[in-house]
Order: sequence, then C-alpha cells, then structure tokens
Amino acid sequence: DAGVTQSPTHLIKTRGQQVTLRCSPKSGHDTVSWYQQALGQGPQFIFQYYEEEERQRGNFPDRFSGHQFPNYSSELNVNALLLGDSALYLCASSSESYEQYFGPGTRLTVT
Amino acid sequence: ELKVEQNPLFLSMQEGKNYTIYCNYSTTSDRLYWYRQDPGKSLESLFVLLSNGAVKQEGRLMASLDTKARLSTLHITAAVHDLSATYFCAVDPYNTNAGKSTFGDGTTLTVKP
Repeated sequence: DAGVTQSPTHLIKTRGQQVTLRCSPKSGHDTVSWYQQALGQGPQFIFQYYEEEERQRGNFPDRFSGHQFPNYSSELNVNALLLGDSALYLCASSSESYEQYFGPGTRLTVT
Repeated sequence: ELKVEQNPLFLSMQEGKNYTIYCNYSTTSDRLYWYRQDPGKSLESLFVLLSNGAVKQEGRLMASLDTKARLSTLHITAAVHDLSATYFCAVDPYNTNAGKSTFGDGTTLTVKP
C-alpha cells in the first residue's frame, strides 16, 4: 500500500502564474482534503472532495479550485499566485472512518 | 466558528522530565487528533480521540480528552531527544466526516540532554 502520494515535491512559481498540485489517496479511500500550511503555522483547511464534488470549503478565495477524478485522485489549482501563497500544501485522504492520512506535501514557493 | 488553542507554543525540556501540552477548542466536537511534525516533513498521526474520557498511550506519550471541558492533553513522560518535534492538535466539527479539521498553532518541543 503506497499510502497518500503527492506531486511534485517542490515547485517554484512567479507571482501571477497558475499552479496545479496532484494527490493520489490511500488505497480504499474515496475522500480527499487539501490543507495549506504556512511556515510556522498549523495547517488550514482549503476544501474537501468526495464523489467528484467539492463537499466542504474553508475560508479560501475562488483562486483556489480543485477537482476529483473517478479514481479518487485529486488536483488543487491556484490561479494568479501571490507571494502569500507560498506554503506547504498537504493532501489527506479518508473514507467512512474517522481517520485521515496525510501525504508528504508539496512545497510551493512564489517569487 | 471552531477555534483551537494550544499551549505552550514553545517548550524546552530536559531529558527525563515530564510535561503536558494543552489543547482547548471552542465548540462541540466528537473527534480530536494529535499529530507530530518534524521540520520540513508532513504530519504523522499519533492519536485519534473519539469520546469523553478517552485515553490513549503510545510509548512516552499519552493523550486524553474531556469533551465537557473541551480540553485535550498530551502528556510526555521521561522525555528523550527523539521526541523533539512540533505537535499539533486538530478538531473536526461535530457530526461531520473526517477531513475538515481545524488545527492549533502547534507546540514546538525541544528536548535537551
């Protein structure tokens, strides 16, 4: 079991650009949540996908969007990047149970 | 709005000593998590607490939950250097599916010889 995987590991982008991050959930999991973790802070919930629909959303602007595919993998898209979007982006997967498993994260740097 | 507060935010301990990290949350919840994070790494799940009075132990770490007081504690017994890391508590809103967690700001633990 590969667990939760994310790609890429690191990414450097320029202000105003767009970025796509990818996540494959743990085998048997059908729900994917995305979190943003700025340096020195706790993760913040961005949104959650289930059955290819956005089920819940945190306090993030519409520049942050996502998608879930039929195989349960997910993408996070961020448009019009700002310096403040620099962070570690974490994907977590879960199923009907109460536990969520986190991937290794994607470190995004916006210059 | 659910808010989660941890204290202390920074903790420097000597090896062999005991200490407790506190996690308070603002609204009713039926699910609380503790995670460990090493520098530059992702989150490692330590405990999931689901009911009032729940207590879980793994090695030198023990977590407990008091849902009436909206308080969880993570107790460290006889600290060793390998426990140096940042510890987060996280809470899910009541009666929701796992995965919409609100995190505290973390407690950075340094264990010195």
